Amino acid sequence: NAGVTQTPKFQVLKTGQSMTLQCAQDMNHEYMSWYRQDPGMGLRLIHYSVGAGITDQGEVPNGYNVSRSTTEDFPLRLLSAAPSQTSVYFCASSPILDKPQHFGDGTRLSIL
Amino acid sequence: EDKVVQSPLSLVVHEGDTVTLNCSYEVTNFRSLLWYKQEKKAPTFLFMLTSSGIEKKSGRLSSILDKKELSSILNITATQTGDSAIYLCAVEIDNDMRFGAGTRLTVKP
Repeated sequence: NAGVTQTPKFQVLKTGQSMTLQCAQDMNHEYMSWYRQDPGMGLRLIHYSVGAGITDQGEVPNGYNVSRSTTEDFPLRLLSAAPSQTSVYFCASSPILDKPQHFGDGTRLSIL
Repeated sequence: EDKVVQSPLSLVVHEGDTVTLNCSYEVTNFRSLLWYKQEKKAPTFLFMLTSSGIEKKSGRLSSILDKKELSSILNITATQTGDSAIYLCAVEIDNDMRFGAGTRLTVKP
């Protein structure tokens, strides 16, 4: 059982480049979310989705886009990478938000 | 502004010690409080608390919520080196989640 799979595990970008972080889950969960984790700040919610076709902004959405065309996939797009977006990104899913979330192993992103 | 504060930020103990980690919150529309353990990679779920005063227990770990004091504690008894991790507290607010900064626990042999 794969759970929540994130790719890539590591990525280095140059300022201004765009890229997509992939997230897939095989548990048929409706709720999916993206977080970033920075030292001393815990996890901060970027975007979330309560089901296919439905997305909404979290606490720190600026500079990121998401889409949810299927239940399984929830990609996160960086439109024009900035050094302030250097972070570890986690994707998570749960059957609904009122259930504990399952986290992927994270993507460590560095922007030069 | 919704916020979740954990204390202490860092804690070093020896095997066999008992530790208490704290989480306090100021949020609108509280739904639940969750504790996660984060070792090297993904946070893993420990407890979900929705009702005040009811202790949740799993082995040497236990947690309780106090809605009057807007806080929760996570207790670990007879600590082991494998308990070394970052412990995260999160509060669910409608469709949103707010995490605290975490408590880094180090258990020395």
